[in-house]
Amino acid sequence: NAGVTQTPKFQVLKTGQSMTLQCAQDMNHNSMYWYRQDPGMGLRLIYYSASEGTTDKGEVPNGYNVSRLNKREFSLRLESAAPSQTSVYFCASRDGIGGAYTEAFFGQGTRLTVV
Amino acid sequence: DQQVKQNSPSLSVQEGRISILNCDYTNSMFDYFLWYKKYPAEGPTFLISISSIKDKNEDGRFTVFLNKSAKHLSLHIVPSQPGDSAVYFCAAQIQGAQKLVFGQGTRLTINP
Repeated sequence: NAGVTQTPKFQVLKTGQSMTLQCAQDMNHNSMYWYRQDPGMGLRLIYYSASEGTTDKGEVPNGYNVSRLNKREFSLRLESAAPSQTSVYFCASRDGIGGAYTEAFFGQGTRLTVV
Repeated sequence: DQQVKQNSPSLSVQEGRISILNCDYTNSMFDYFLWYKKYPAEGPTFLISISSIKDKNEDGRFTVFLNKSAKHLSLHIVPSQPGDSAVYFCAAQIQGAQKLVFGQGTRLTINP
């Protein structure tokens, strides 16, 4: 059971380059999330998708775009990478129908460095 | 505006003793709370949760306590084991909302 799979695991970008982080889950979950983890800041929500076809901004959406491609896949795009986007990115999914009380499952993360 | 706060960046505890990790929140609308554990180079994994209608939830060595009047929750680990060394995040949710809000994390180190 793969759970939540993120690709790539590591990436180095030059300032101004673009890239897409991929995320797929095989648990038939409705809700999917993108977080970034920075030292001393914890996990901050970038974007989320409550269900297929919907996306909403989280706490730190600037500089990012997302696509909920289907129920399984939720991608995060950096159009023009900046050094401030150097971080570890986590994708998560949750069976959160109606905001029900369920835990989120996380992928292993993508470590992104922008130079 | 940090709605969920873990004010201790790190904690060191001797093996076999009790570990107590603390978390404070400011939004009184939060009604479900979770603790996650994270090892280096891995994603966070769910540990234990508590609904606001309870003040305590136990699962083996792990107990979470909720004090709604103080807007405070704590995670107790008894007895602490070396494998418990990790970063612990608390998180909070509002019923009907899809977002989980996380704290900054506390790095727990269990010393032999």
